[in-house]
Amino acid sequence: DGGITQSPKYLFRKEGQNVTLSCEQNLNHDAMYWYRQDPGQGLRLIYYSQIVNDFQKGDIAEGYSVSREKKESFPLTVTSAQKNPTAFYLCASSIGTGSSYNEQFFGPGTRLTVL
Amino acid sequence: QQQVKQSPQSLIVQKGGISIINCAYENTAFDYFPWYQQFPGKGPALLIAIRPDVSEKKEGRFTISFNKSAKQFSLHIMDSQPGDSATYFCAALEREGGSNYKLTFGKGTLLTVNP
Repeated sequence: DGGITQSPKYLFRKEGQNVTLSCEQNLNHDAMYWYRQDPGQGLRLIYYSQIVNDFQKGDIAEGYSVSREKKESFPLTVTSAQKNPTAFYLCASSIGTGSSYNEQFFGPGTRLTVL
Repeated sequence: QQQVKQSPQSLIVQKGGISIINCAYENTAFDYFPWYQQFPGKGPALLIAIRPDVSEKKEGRFTISFNKSAKQFSLHIMDSQPGDSATYFCAALEREGGSNYKLTFGKGTLLTVNP
C-alpha cells in the first residue's frame, strides 16, 4: 500500500526532553511537510522540504528541527526550546517541483502530550 | 496576520440541507485553492480544489464557487449527510520562490449534520 506513515500515534514526553516524530512515505514524492494542529487554529506549517538535504522554515519553526537525509523520510524533532509542544502533528508529502497544483497527502498524525 | 480567513467556525445542518463554508484571502499570489476534509483523529484529505481561472467546480455533491475580484471562495455541500460531519479546511497555495510552494490553511469549520 502506498501512503504516509507516522509513528508513534500517541507520544508522551516530560518537560525539558527532546523527542523525535517519525514520518515515512513510499509515494516517491519529492516534497514533504510538517504541520502542527491546535484546536481552533487550523494547520500551521513548521518546516518543509522540496528535495533531499534541503529544507525551509515554515511559519512556526522555533523550537523544532528537521532533517531530510533520504527521500522517503522527514523526521521532526521537538526540542526543549519549544514552549508549548502539546499538539497534533501532521506530516504530508506532495509530488513536489514542476507544478504548482500539487496535492498534499497527509499522514494519520502523532498526538504529542507534554507532562 | 491571518492570510486565509474561514467562516463559520462551526455549522449545524439538518440531513438533506445545504452546508456553506466561506473563505477570504488577501494575497493575490495565491493561485490554487483546495478544500480538505478531516475526521477526528485522522489526517486531512483533499476533497476538491479550484484554480483561479474558473468560477465554479463541481464534484458530486461538493461545489466550490470562486470570486477572484472579491478574493473569496466557498464550499457548498448539497444534500448534506451525517457522514459529512467533519472539520473542513480551506487552503491557498503560493509559490515562495524557486520551486518552493506553500499551502496556507484557514482555521477550519466543524460541520455537524443531524439525522
